[in-house]
Amino acid sequence: NAGVTQTPKFQVLKTGQSMTLQCAQDMNHEYMSWYRQDPGMGLRLIHYSVGAGITDQGEVPNGYNVSRSTTEDFPLRLLSAAPSQTSVYFCASSYSGGGPFRGYTFGSGTRLTVV
Amino acid sequence: DQQVKQNSPSLSVQEGRISILNCDYTNSMFDYFLWYKKYPAEGPTFLISISSIKDKNEDGRFTVFLNKSAKHLSLHIVPSQPGDSAVYFCAASTGTASKLTFGTGTRLQVTL
Repeated sequence: NAGVTQTPKFQVLKTGQSMTLQCAQDMNHEYMSWYRQDPGMGLRLIHYSVGAGITDQGEVPNGYNVSRSTTEDFPLRLLSAAPSQTSVYFCASSYSGGGPFRGYTFGSGTRLTVV
Repeated sequence: DQQVKQNSPSLSVQEGRISILNCDYTNSMFDYFLWYKKYPAEGPTFLISISSIKDKNEDGRFTVFLNKSAKHLSLHIVPSQPGDSAVYFCAASTGTASKLTFGTGTRLQVTL
């Protein structure tokens, strides 16, 4: 059981370049989210999805794009990288069924540096 | 506007003693609260949660207390162990579980 898998683990981009951060989960979770973690800022929600074909913006969506064509995958696209997007990115997934909510399962993160 | 606040960036506790981590929130619509633990170079892992209809939830050495009137929750770890040294994040959600709002985290160091 792999859980939530993020690739790559590390990436260096030049300003203006684009790239896609990959996220896949094998738990058949309906909910998936992308967060970024910055020093002193905690984790901030970028985009989230409540199911295939459904996405919505979070707290800091500008400069990012997402799509959810399958339940398993939720890629995050940086359209034109900027130094302000230097951060650690976490993908997370959660079930939507009944029972006590146990929160999201997080991937191990992608550390992105934009120079 | 920070809806979930952890005002203590760091905390140091001796092994065997109690660790108390605090969290305040401003949004009265939050109805579920969670604590996550994060080690360096790893993703956060779920620790314990509490619904707004309860005021206490206990799981082994970890207990979360919720004071709705004060919009305050706390995580108690008893006894603290060196392996508990990590960053702890408080998080909250409203209605559905699709979105979590996180605090800025508290770094706990448990010393020998």
